[in-house]
Amino acid sequence: GDSVTQMEGPVTLSEEAFLTINCTYTATGYPSLFWYVQYPGEGLQLLLKATKADDKGSNKGFEATYRKETTSFHLEKGSVQVSDSAVYFCALSGSGGSNYKLTFGKGTLLTVNP
Amino acid sequence: EAGVVQSPRYKIIEKKQPVAFWCNPISGHNTLYWYRQNLGQGPELLIRYENEEAVDDSQLPKDRFSAERLKGVDSTLKIQPAELGDSAVYLCASSRDRGRVSYGYTFGSGTRLTVV
Repeated sequence: GDSVTQMEGPVTLSEEAFLTINCTYTATGYPSLFWYVQYPGEGLQLLLKATKADDKGSNKGFEATYRKETTSFHLEKGSVQVSDSAVYFCALSGSGGSNYKLTFGKGTLLTVNP
Repeated sequence: EAGVVQSPRYKIIEKKQPVAFWCNPISGHNTLYWYRQNLGQGPELLIRYENEEAVDDSQLPKDRFSAERLKGVDSTLKIQPAELGDSAVYLCASSRDRGRVSYGYTFGSGTRLTVV
């Protein structure tokens, strides 16, 4: 079945540091890929998405590129802020009949210190 | 527009007691989902509704869990009786356009259940 593996946390960075959170996936066909963010005490929010190979999703300075050859969708940001502290989830939705369902990784806790 | 509304935000119950969670989706969203998020894990789908019909409940533990979505709007998820292992965050989400994720999917803030 479909699965997502993402970098174990927690990740602690200083403000303005470069961020990478690795994500790889296993799925048949052509899944869509997502990054969700969960701020303390809040629900999951869609951060960015990519629906086909070589697409780059971007939002709020975060980027991720759908790499089918390496089955990866790594999240990056050039300069993190304290307000980026949250849990980040990589997720996929399968193609065909399972395109409604999200399969999530375990999440990576990011803490950014001033 | 108002987001997906869930209540209560927190619930603490003793094992073997019943518990219910309520979800009101975004107006006009015909597809509704319940997910469960265990501590340190990503959410996992329990059940999906298209209007009032449960079209995928394969991951719902039917011996103790039940759900309903009367009139195809708000939904209730029930556990009876609760077990210690049911402690988790229960998330509701909704979408339009027959639930294809890439069209948009909004989560509520969740209900954190603690069974003691």
